Amino acid sequence: DTAVSQTPKYLVTQMGNDKSIKCEQNLGHDTMYWYKQDSKKFLKIMFSYNNKELIINETVPNRFSPKSPDKAHLNLHINSLELGDSAVYFCASSQVPDTGELFFGEGSRLTVL
Amino acid sequence: SQQGEEDPQALSIQEGENATMNCSYKTSINNLQWYRQNSGRGLVHLILIRSNEREKHSGRLRVTLDTSKKSSSLLITASRAADTASYFCEAGGTSYGKLTFGQGTILTVHP
Repeated sequence: DTAVSQTPKYLVTQMGNDKSIKCEQNLGHDTMYWYKQDSKKFLKIMFSYNNKELIINETVPNRFSPKSPDKAHLNLHINSLELGDSAVYFCASSQVPDTGELFFGEGSRLTVL
Repeated sequence: SQQGEEDPQALSIQEGENATMNCSYKTSINNLQWYRQNSGRGLVHLILIRSNEREKHSGRLRVTLDTSKKSSSLLITASRAADTASYFCEAGGTSYGKLTFGQGTILTVHP
């Protein structure tokens, strides 16, 4: 069983389009995250949700909107995609916010043309 | 920010040798964690060391923590080609819900 699964794994799209990445965890964790990994491998937190409530919102353009329909899901919707949005997006979860062990999905590689 | 910053950026060794990677951080932490990322995959948790611990072992991994220097090291002994990956540290602080990483150390182990 995959603990943290995200779809799609690859996404190629044109500038200006709107796209979504979905994430689900079956670990029963309370906290979920979205990270962005750029071409230089820096891994930066974008959002963090605890029990469906937003607790971290880093300096991310408001074209990015996370949605947590329930504790097990955290989806990422991106409007008006730009070239600079090309990256690998990772979903993660933890039982304890901030100090807990993170469980990562396999990543979704977004390429904006 | 509790950013962990790894050093060196890249490390290339032969199988059987030991690999040492370092991590520095900026403010007080509750614990520090090391993760591994194989190419094209997500990060996998390796080991956690608490702020009141100085050293921890797990199999071929040895982690040290020096809170006075705000630094940690990860030692992989008797490396194998399968250890080839990027290694990240994450310094867990007291800011609720914030977990940040650096750029990682790319380790290449040649057979």
